[in-house]
Amino acid sequence: GENVEQHPSTLSVQEGDSAVIKCTYSDSASNYFPWYKQELGKGPQLIIDIRSNVGEKKDQRIAVTLNKTAKHFSLHITETQPEDSAVYFCAATPGSGYSTLTFGKGTMLLVSP
Amino acid sequence: KAGVTQTPRYLIKTRGQQVTLSCSPISGHRSVSWYQQTPGQGLQFLFEYFSETQRNKGNFPGRFSGRQFSNSRSEMNVSTLELGDSALYLCASSWGGRDYGYTFGSGTRLTVV
Repeated sequence: GENVEQHPSTLSVQEGDSAVIKCTYSDSASNYFPWYKQELGKGPQLIIDIRSNVGEKKDQRIAVTLNKTAKHFSLHITETQPEDSAVYFCAATPGSGYSTLTFGKGTMLLVSP
Repeated sequence: KAGVTQTPRYLIKTRGQQVTLSCSPISGHRSVSWYQQTPGQGLQFLFEYFSETQRNKGNFPGRFSGRQFSNSRSEMNVSTLELGDSALYLCASSWGGRDYGYTFGSGTRLTVV
């Protein structure tokens, strides 16, 4: 089945810096790659997603890039703010069958003022 | 627009007991998935229901079961609780499944003592 690896497990940055979180996946048939943000006491919230026919997608300070050949995708957050502090999860889903999301282990992002 | 509602938010049970968790999806969403989240294993897929039919199941023992009603509300049941079942149980709903994006609820925190 699908395996998703996520790095780093923790990331500390200063406010205003950029943050990059990287994920690799194993199933070459995967075609949908969402990113979720989870704050303390809440469920994961979808912040951006990308499909396999697109190499990059941007939404204000957040961007995701996908390299299908290397089977990895990354989340980029620019001009980080303290409210960006949370756990971020990447996920992937195969393109066949009724498979659901396979998640990475998560990255705890800490943005210091 | 109401989000995904999970009840109860917190639950404490004794080993050997059984428990039922409830999930009300976003209106119009036909797919409901359940995930178990623990610090060690991260987010693990339990099962997915679509139009009252289970169409995918994760690698969990038969003590974990679920169902979906005609109004798309879903319940999951865990019988003969073990200490290791202590976790945050998350429900996610989608209009059509993985390719349409999932919205998560805030989860039910189950503690088994």
